[in-house]
Amino acid sequence: DAGITQSPRHKVTETGTPVTLRCHQTENHRYMYWYRQDPGHGLRLIHYSYGVKDTDKGEVSDGYSVSRSKTEDFLLTLESATSSQTSVYFCAISDGQGPGELFFGEGSRLTVL
Amino acid sequence: EDKVVQSPLSLVVHEGDTVTLNCSYEVTNFRSLLWYKQEKKAPTFLFMLTSSGIEKKSGRLSSILDKKELFSILNITATQTGDSAVYLCAYLQGAQKLVFGQGTRLTINP
Repeated sequence: DAGITQSPRHKVTETGTPVTLRCHQTENHRYMYWYRQDPGHGLRLIHYSYGVKDTDKGEVSDGYSVSRSKTEDFLLTLESATSSQTSVYFCAISDGQGPGELFFGEGSRLTVL
Repeated sequence: EDKVVQSPLSLVVHEGDTVTLNCSYEVTNFRSLLWYKQEKKAPTFLFMLTSSGIEKKSGRLSSILDKKELFSILNITATQTGDSAVYLCAYLQGAQKLVFGQGTRLTINP
């Protein structure tokens, strides 16, 4: 299994508070991604990174920011959490070599009250 | 607008049945189509298809891509209760981004 660790795995927070989710990889892969999964929507891309300090937006990036200061870590921040951001968040990695597959972390369940 | 649509959204069958899951896509810069299985946690990779008409097979699971008609199917023969999961179809976009369909929830009853 690809070495991907997400933390925290579960978090309950209140509307308006900041939240940071961390994704850590031990595979030295170039690409890292944050997806959210909600019923009826499958997996939707929030942000992704194609290298240290190189990030770009996905289809549902509003209300989220990311940072990648090291190859192994990709942080997802909700500056002011809202109830609509209650979701399961998945980190994924890819080595970017050809049309290769993504490997997913175990997910982080966030509840915003 | 690029999109991928899976059908059916939900399917319930009996153990031993054969099932076919569908994935149709409209993509301007197609590179590959992937299938994932998701049980309780992380999606796990099943197949990646890049060429039309070539079947990928793994045990009781198989998949094929039709680039002319823009669809892929995932077949599962002799289903078992362990096949119960959400099956996700996705296409690979430029810059290594995966765009997913809504998924098909498959339930296998004993």
